[in-house]
Amino acid sequence: KAGVTQTPRYLIKTRGQQVTLSCSPISGHRSVSWYQQTPGQGLQFLFEYFSETQRNKGNFPGRFSGRQFSNSRSEMNVSTLELGDSALYLCASSIATGGIFGEQYFGPGTRLTVT
Amino acid sequence: GESVGLHLPTLSVQEGDNSIINCAYSNSASDYFIWYKQESGKGPQFIIDIRSNMDKRQGQRVTVLLNKTVKHLSLQIAATQPGDSAVYFCAVPHEGGYNKLIFGAGTRLAVHP
Repeated sequence: KAGVTQTPRYLIKTRGQQVTLSCSPISGHRSVSWYQQTPGQGLQFLFEYFSETQRNKGNFPGRFSGRQFSNSRSEMNVSTLELGDSALYLCASSIATGGIFGEQYFGPGTRLTVT
Repeated sequence: GESVGLHLPTLSVQEGDNSIINCAYSNSASDYFIWYKQESGKGPQFIIDIRSNMDKRQGQRVTVLLNKTVKHLSLQIAATQPGDSAVYFCAVPHEGGYNKLIFGAGTRLAVHP
């Protein structure tokens, strides 16, 4: 079974631009979560989508948004990029339904560098 | 709010020794705990989990111990190998439910031959 895939793997953007990252979950997984990983803040939860609906959101500004499609693929968007948005963005998928926590499988991440 | 902390940022061990990585959590209501391993250039990988109704759980060369009294858990790796070199995170699901994990800061394990 193929794992979680994320595209692109590396991205360089300029301050003020916007960026869209993509995540394809493991087949059959309907939950997709996004995390930001930085050396200073570690791994921080951004949001989770289940059946095209955002179920949970972390403490990030509104510049960070996401969506999920009917095939469970998800995208996240960051608008008006800031230097501090440079990070590894990780996507995780889970088969869990309802409110039960399910084992999360992480993709390799997208390394975003903002200059 | 909830937090998960680790005691040491870096742990160096000799190949073949046992490794112990510690983690403290703040929410006494937490009932599920997970250890992840992250190798360079990869996303976190599930190692082992434990529920609050257990004190100990064993996997292949790994053991997780949970002490609810002091809100502490540890990951023990037996006969540490070079392939164990990675950053290890403990994580707990947010009490709000769903698939929101609160991660600790991580401990980098360096295995020397």
